[in-house]
Amino acid sequence: DAGITQSPRHKVTETGTPVTLRCHQTENHRYMYWYRQDPGHGLRLIHYSYGVKDTDKGEVSDGYSVSRSKTEDFLLTLESATSSQTSVYFCAISEPWDRENKDEQFFGPGTRLTVL
Amino acid sequence: QKEVEQNSGPLSVPEGAIASLNCTYSDRGSQSFFWYRQYSGKSPELIMSIYSNGDKEDGRFTAQLNKASQYVSLLIRDSQPSDSATYLCAVGGSQGNLIFGKGTKLSVKP
Repeated sequence: DAGITQSPRHKVTETGTPVTLRCHQTENHRYMYWYRQDPGHGLRLIHYSYGVKDTDKGEVSDGYSVSRSKTEDFLLTLESATSSQTSVYFCAISEPWDRENKDEQFFGPGTRLTVL
Repeated sequence: QKEVEQNSGPLSVPEGAIASLNCTYSDRGSQSFFWYRQYSGKSPELIMSIYSNGDKEDGRFTAQLNKASQYVSLLIRDSQPSDSATYLCAVGGSQGNLIFGKGTKLSVKP
């Protein structure tokens, strides 16, 4: 998985509980992304980061926050989990200076989150 | 809202045949196009990227891009049962992200 790990890989939690998912990369890629994948919706962008402490919202950012204090780590936090946030969460990385392979993204193994 | 459309399938082909997967996109200004393969319960795996009109071949895979028609396709020659997976078409977005189609499920029958 291109030097990308996600933790935890599986998590079951209850509504209203805060949850933090971690993405760690060893590729030194500048851009990192959080997607969620749901049946019937495909992969949708939650938040992304274009550098340390530089983040922005994606298509489905409501209810999520992110932080990136180091190049290698990108955290996704659900402040108060809801059942609608039950999903599979994927982290991805890319290196925008790679002009030959522009915009290519590589995905981590995913985290399956269930909110009861 | 930028969109990427794929036929959800399932697309069933016999072993050894050519599988043809198609994708259309709405943003005429898109510059980068990708095909990912996703096995059940696994993460998407990049198999092809294409940036210019025409064909790009890599082993048994050929990606075809037609920007005028806003159409991308993936051909898999000599299909194998191990090619059975969901294939995701993705197009580069304005935030450096990718916009994904919902995927086409391919089944290769021995």
